[in-house]
Amino acid sequence: SQKIEQNSEALNIQEGKTATLTCNYTNYSPAYLQWYRQDPGRGPVFLLLIRENEKEKRKERLKVTFDTTLKQSLFHITASQPADSATYLCAPYNAGNMLTFGGGTRLMVKP
Amino acid sequence: DVKVTQSSRYLVKRTGEKVFLECVQDMDHENMFWYRQDPGLGLRLIYFSYDVKMKEKGDIPEGYSVSREKKERFSLILESASTNQTSMYLCASSSGLAGAYTDTQYFGPGTRLTVL
Repeated sequence: SQKIEQNSEALNIQEGKTATLTCNYTNYSPAYLQWYRQDPGRGPVFLLLIRENEKEKRKERLKVTFDTTLKQSLFHITASQPADSATYLCAPYNAGNMLTFGGGTRLMVKP
Repeated sequence: DVKVTQSSRYLVKRTGEKVFLECVQDMDHENMFWYRQDPGLGLRLIYFSYDVKMKEKGDIPEGYSVSREKKERFSLILESASTNQTSMYLCASSSGLAGAYTDTQYFGPGTRLTVL
């Protein structure tokens, strides 16, 4: 069955460092993959979309990579700030199916 | 900016009650979705709708029904609430222009439902 894995343990990093979050998927061949941010008690907010033919996508301090061979997407936040603390969800889309969300990884950036 | 609103942020109901959760979007989006989110289980799709009066079951439709009489409004109905339906319920919409079910989803703030 299709499975999306994100590290369920919180990632704690120091302000100014680069945070790297991992999304692994199995039994998928996603045409694209989206990343969302979710703050406590609120709905997810779209951040970035990367297509299968794109290796890397950037938006300000955010960078997403997509390795279809490894079946993995990495989400990087450079020069992290306490305001970046949130849960980050990946969502691969497989043609013919729905957008499916991973369980998310909680990021804590300490000042 | 797209705005998706949900009728309540917090709701407490008793077992067996009929519960209505309302969602409204203001961007003329074709697609609307209902999810529930539980710790350790992530977001799970209950139902979605790609047009007025059209609906499709998601991964966990049992115990739920939906209604979409107007394009901007999508309702989730718990016919007879049970304690295992205690959860955070999230509504989302997407434009549908990029292809059915493929584009960015915009979420509401969520309704935290407790069934006693």
